[in-house]
Amino acid sequence: QVRLQESGPGLVKPSQTLSLTCIVSGDYISSGSYFWSWIRQPAGKGLEWIGRIFSSGSTNYNPSLRSRVTISVDTSKNQFSLNLTSTTAADTAVYYCAREGSSSRIEYWGQGILVTVSS
Amino acid sequence: SYELTQPLSVSVALGQTATITCGGYNIGTKNVHWYQQQPGQAPVLVIYRDNNRPSGIPERFSGSNSRNTATLTISRAQAGDEADYYCQVTDGFTVVFGGGTKLTVL
Repeated sequence: QVRLQESGPGLVKPSQTLSLTCIVSGDYISSGSYFWSWIRQPAGKGLEWIGRIFSSGSTNYNPSLRSRVTISVDTSKNQFSLNLTSTTAADTAVYYCAREGSSSRIEYWGQGILVTVSS
Repeated sequence: SYELTQPLSVSVALGQTATITCGGYNIGTKNVHWYQQQPGQAPVLVIYRDNNRPSGIPERFSGSNSRNTATLTISRAQAGDEADYYCQVTDGFTVVFGGGTKLTVL
């Protein structure tokens, strides 16, 4: 059973960098079969795709966030990470990590982690 | 950028059929996936590639996709189907979600 678990600070000060890690179990990122993604959801709003990474390190980002986002992977630890710079209150959301399968369907999701940007 | 349009809300009587649409330019040429999200939980894939159900998803859930509209159909709606539903496609190298539809079962 594939499991993803987000971890990181629940509170970030405005203008600082939001950093999250997703630990994967039940699958190996290095298998090279899937994309590994970050998605967020502000309270009461819809899903917003942030970006994804392949085991090779190749990335794709949401154009609206591209200038502030970096997704990286550590295959030795079987985890991948999200960095979002220059945060504002608008970045307050539940952040999900996920595995993207064939046809880009998202088959597995983490439970989500609430990150609040506030001073 | 590619946009997907969903109705904000849909209501259905218990035991009847609910239809949720997802509009997008030439969406019929894309693979459409649908997710169900219960309050406080992560989304769950209920339909992939237009009309395929993952294991464990009831046959009551079905999908179609043609021209500029994809549709999620929930037959014999149950109270447990009340949730938010999102469509999703890929446009080039970008994943796009619809704005979501709240399904109310009356």
